[in-house]
Amino acid sequence: AQTVTQSQPEMSVQEAETVTLSCTYDTSESDYYLFWYKQPPSRQMILVIRQEAYKQQNATENRFSVNFQKAAKSFSLKISDSQLGDAAMYFCAYRLANRDDKIIFGKGTRLHILP
Amino acid sequence: DTGVSQDPRHKITKRGQNVTFRCDPISEHNRLYWYRQTLGQGPEFLTYFQNEAQLEKSRLLSDRFSAERPKGSFSTLEIQRTEQGDSAMYLCASSLARSAGRNEQFFGPGTRLTVL
Repeated sequence: AQTVTQSQPEMSVQEAETVTLSCTYDTSESDYYLFWYKQPPSRQMILVIRQEAYKQQNATENRFSVNFQKAAKSFSLKISDSQLGDAAMYFCAYRLANRDDKIIFGKGTRLHILP
Repeated sequence: DTGVSQDPRHKITKRGQNVTFRCDPISEHNRLYWYRQTLGQGPEFLTYFQNEAQLEKSRLLSDRFSAERPKGSFSTLEIQRTEQGDSAMYLCASSLARSAGRNEQFFGPGTRLTVL
């Protein structure tokens, strides 16, 4: 069975600084997607970034980038130039490729931005 | 198009009562998903539909839970004889399945259920 582990329940970062959120996963599959989702307080979850397992190049979306280590089954999220609006729960997630079914989520990391 | 909507946003009920939640997906999205998120946890998959067909159900979905999507548009999730352990946020998501695997799931704001 696939699992996703986030070992940091909470993190804090100074505004404008860089923070890295960690995630590890376990799967016996070779073709899958990894995601980071953001869930602001009392607001709906949105997709921050997606990585396709067959791609070696790390995904980047503006201030958000990932460090994807397939052999180590590690998938960390780096947020550069942190902003107050980045404060949220961040979920690392996994889904098999070629199937539009369930997403498996980690327990989340609550990120605080310090002004 | 305003995204995925869910109704109600909050529901407080007494143990043993039945509750029903509604999800309206993004127009023309043919896939609809239900997840449950308990406090301090990530969302857990419950079930999903392609059009009106329910394709997969998690073992988390006990026989007290039933989901429908009668016309392939909105969906309802009913919980019968609620228990305190059912207290959670119930999330709905939808996607447009065009090319296999590449389709983003868009989430609604959730329905927060509190069972007293």
